[in-house]
Amino acid sequence: GESVGLHLPTLSVQEGDNSIINCAYSNSASDYFIWYKQESGKGPQFIIDIRSNMDKRQGQRVTVLLNKTVKHLSLQIAATQPGDSAVYFCAENIGDSGYSTLTFGKGTMLLVSP
Amino acid sequence: DAGVIQSPRHEVTEMGQEVTLRCKPISGHDYLFWYRQTMMRGLELLIYFNNNVPIDDSGMPEDRFSAKMPNASFSTLKIQPSEPRDSAVYFCASSSITDTEAFFGQGTRLTVV
Repeated sequence: GESVGLHLPTLSVQEGDNSIINCAYSNSASDYFIWYKQESGKGPQFIIDIRSNMDKRQGQRVTVLLNKTVKHLSLQIAATQPGDSAVYFCAENIGDSGYSTLTFGKGTMLLVSP
Repeated sequence: DAGVIQSPRHEVTEMGQEVTLRCKPISGHDYLFWYRQTMMRGLELLIYFNNNVPIDDSGMPEDRFSAKMPNASFSTLKIQPSEPRDSAVYFCASSSITDTEAFFGQGTRLTVV
């Protein structure tokens, strides 16, 4: 989910569990959505994206689900590993011709215990 | 390619001083973005360039902030004079027209005391 103020929502899981991180987006005109992972001291790193004409997209160990009716996006990580510990951001992009800009959510911290 | 390169990685400066942050985008990318990240506000887009031309600077907080891109391989973000509330991590990112993602640098952590 989205954070308000100083504290990021935190999801704590055990290694091997499946993780689900949620995000509510704001603009129904957004035409694609991206999940980024940010490890401590590093810049955000692309994980997976999905276009607004899709409901689901799978990558390696990750799945993104899009529910346009309620403007909700989720990231599922299978068999979560300690290396998955990071802050995860969803971002929405409103595309016209050419590249447009990303609007980021506040992020969710994922903590994976061995 | 080494990715987006930012310098310095850390900067500590006194209030009132000028600060210049530097960015080298990925070669061949024609979009460059400057973001600021704080705990309170998350990642905010400050300004972006297309083919070295500033397209949208509506995120620049005030006139104390300025950004330039003199050529395709270099951009600067300048704060003059700096204030404690400017303390944040500043990220540069780049992409090409065919990308759906932006590639981020490691960031510059700015502390203004």
